[in-house]
Amino acid sequence: GENVEQHPSTLSVQEGDSAVIKCTYSDSASNYFPWYKQELGKRPQLIIDIRSNVGEKKDQRIAVTLNKTAKHFSLHITETQPEDSAVYFCAASGGTSYGKLTFGQGTILTVHP
Amino acid sequence: EAGVAQSPRYKIIEKRQSVAFWCNPISGHATLYWYQQILGQGPKLLIQFQNNGVVDDSQLPKDRFSAERLKGVDSTLKIQPAKLEDSAVYLCASSSSSGSYEQYFGPGTRLTVT
Repeated sequence: GENVEQHPSTLSVQEGDSAVIKCTYSDSASNYFPWYKQELGKRPQLIIDIRSNVGEKKDQRIAVTLNKTAKHFSLHITETQPEDSAVYFCAASGGTSYGKLTFGQGTILTVHP
Repeated sequence: EAGVAQSPRYKIIEKRQSVAFWCNPISGHATLYWYQQILGQGPKLLIQFQNNGVVDDSQLPKDRFSAERLKGVDSTLKIQPAKLEDSAVYLCASSSSSGSYEQYFGPGTRLTVT
């Protein structure tokens, strides 16, 4: 089945800096890659996603890039703010596990004011 | 649009007891998922329903876990008997169909087994 590795496990930045979180996946047939933000005690919330026919997608301060050949994708947050502090999860879906999301281990992002 | 509803929000039981969780997906969403999220880890899929049929239950510990979605709308997940390692947050999610990848999560049920 699909396996998703996520790095780093923790990331600490100063307000205004950029943050980058990277994920690799194993199933070359996967074709959907969402990113979720989870604040303490709350539900995961979809913040951005990308499909395999697109290399990059941006939404204000958030962007995701996908390299299908290398089987990795990354989340980029620019001009970070304290309210960006949360746990971020990448996931992969499609291929042999249609609809099922396989999540990475999560990255604890802390933005210091 | 109302979101995914789950109850109860918290549950504490002793090992070997049984427990049940309930989920009501977003109206019209045909696909429903149950995930287990152990503290410090990403969610792990337990079971996926398409309407009232099971699509994937490969990671469901069937000796103690069961789930049903009888009328293709709400769903229940049961654990019997519970073990200490079942302590986790149980998240329900739904999507509009198998062809739509976007999944919307409920608030989860935090289970503590003592």
